[in-house]
Amino acid sequence: NAGVMQNPRHLVRRRGQEARLRCSPMKGHSHVYWYRQLPEEGLKFMVYLQKENIIDESGMPKERFSAEFPKEGPSILRIQQVVRGDSAAYFCASSLQYGPNEKLFFGSGTQLSVL
Amino acid sequence: GESVGLHLPTLSVQEGDNSIINCAYSNSASDYFIWYKQESGKGPQFIIDIRSNMDKRQGQRVTVLLNKTVKHLSLQIAATQPGDSAVYFCAENNSNAGGTSYGKLTFGQGTILTVHP
Repeated sequence: NAGVMQNPRHLVRRRGQEARLRCSPMKGHSHVYWYRQLPEEGLKFMVYLQKENIIDESGMPKERFSAEFPKEGPSILRIQQVVRGDSAAYFCASSLQYGPNEKLFFGSGTQLSVL
Repeated sequence: GESVGLHLPTLSVQEGDNSIINCAYSNSASDYFIWYKQESGKGPQFIIDIRSNMDKRQGQRVTVLLNKTVKHLSLQIAATQPGDSAVYFCAENNSNAGGTSYGKLTFGQGTILTVHP
């Protein structure tokens, strides 16, 4: 039973390029969450998605960032025109249900480096 | 002069000792708390959780204590092993915030635990 799969593990982009981060939730999970972690900090919530729907994007920067979770395929976090400040580890989590005390299972993350 | 930047709290213990990692949470309305372990290059791994209607919960070698009066959470690890070396994060959630609050965890800064053989 594979866990949450994220790819790529490491992504290097130059300023102005686009970054696409992929996340496949655990089998049977239809709730996906994206978090960002800066060095020596805790994770910070970005967005919560269900299949084909963005439910809560209150943690997403207003510009350049977008997320989707299509009916088929992985969830995608897309960052357009990356800047150095976007360099961080991006983690995806999934849960089986959506409700109080529901456990989140995290992937190993994508480390984005912007040159 | 003073250095700029964040420095995570650290805890160094000898193998076999008990470890206590502390966390002060911010939101008095939070009612669900989780401890995560994060090893280098990996995502957070669930350790144990506790709801606000409890003050203690035990797992295998781990115990979480919750003091709502002072908004304090602690993780106790018994007979610490080298494999326990990692960064430990507490996270909180207010499931009564309504709307889409579930799954929107607020993480603490983290504590680096180093276990010496």
